[in-house]
Amino acid sequence: SYELTQPPSVSVSPGQTARITCSGDALPKQYAYWYQQKPGQAPVLVIYKDSERPSGIPERFSGSSSGTTVTLTISGVQAEDEADYYCQSADSSGTYPSVFGTGTKVTVL
Amino acid sequence: QVQLQESGPGLVKPSETLSLTCTVSGGSISSYYWSWIRQPPGKGLEWIGYIYYSGSTNYNPSLKSRVTISVDTSKNQFSLKLSSVTAADTAVYYCAREGVRGVNAWGQGTLVTVSS
Repeated sequence: SYELTQPPSVSVSPGQTARITCSGDALPKQYAYWYQQKPGQAPVLVIYKDSERPSGIPERFSGSSSGTTVTLTISGVQAEDEADYYCQSADSSGTYPSVFGTGTKVTVL
Repeated sequence: QVQLQESGPGLVKPSETLSLTCTVSGGSISSYYWSWIRQPPGKGLEWIGYIYYSGSTNYNPSLKSRVTISVDTSKNQFSLKLSSVTAADTAVYYCAREGVRGVNAWGQGTLVTVSS
């Protein structure tokens, strides 16, 4: 199976920067996507194609890629950013066309 | 703005087949990939599979033997069938629209419990 590994949790104070990593062997060849999910709600896309931001998503959300790791950065974290975050990508062979990461709980202290 | 709504039984007996339908409104189903994604209570997201409006499908290999996704373009609907369910299939099931820009539209999700 193909796995995307994220840290289980990240804690950050308001106004600081949160960085969430996602690691996977195929990430140098496949785009990554990031989703925010708040309790009881459906996920929301916050980054697509590694670093593109959908309309309506605040500029404090950004994405980057380096080798087998992609990173979601939240600059100037606000209380409303407390949520679970998931990366999504695919393997390089086409066997796993879509896989979600293990998820990261972001806690705003 | 496209909207998606799941419908179907909230309770399914073990060994039976889970069946859900997603109705798409505010846009045509005749483009994009249309996906099913699930989330067991307290756990992470799991991609089940998707269908293109033409009918071509792609499934999660771990579920492939039990999953069928179909589309009815005349009704702007697509459906999920998951056979031989067990308690491990208890989850919130989301229907969604997926494209090169990611999953950019989601239904509200529907909880399906597998129990006798």
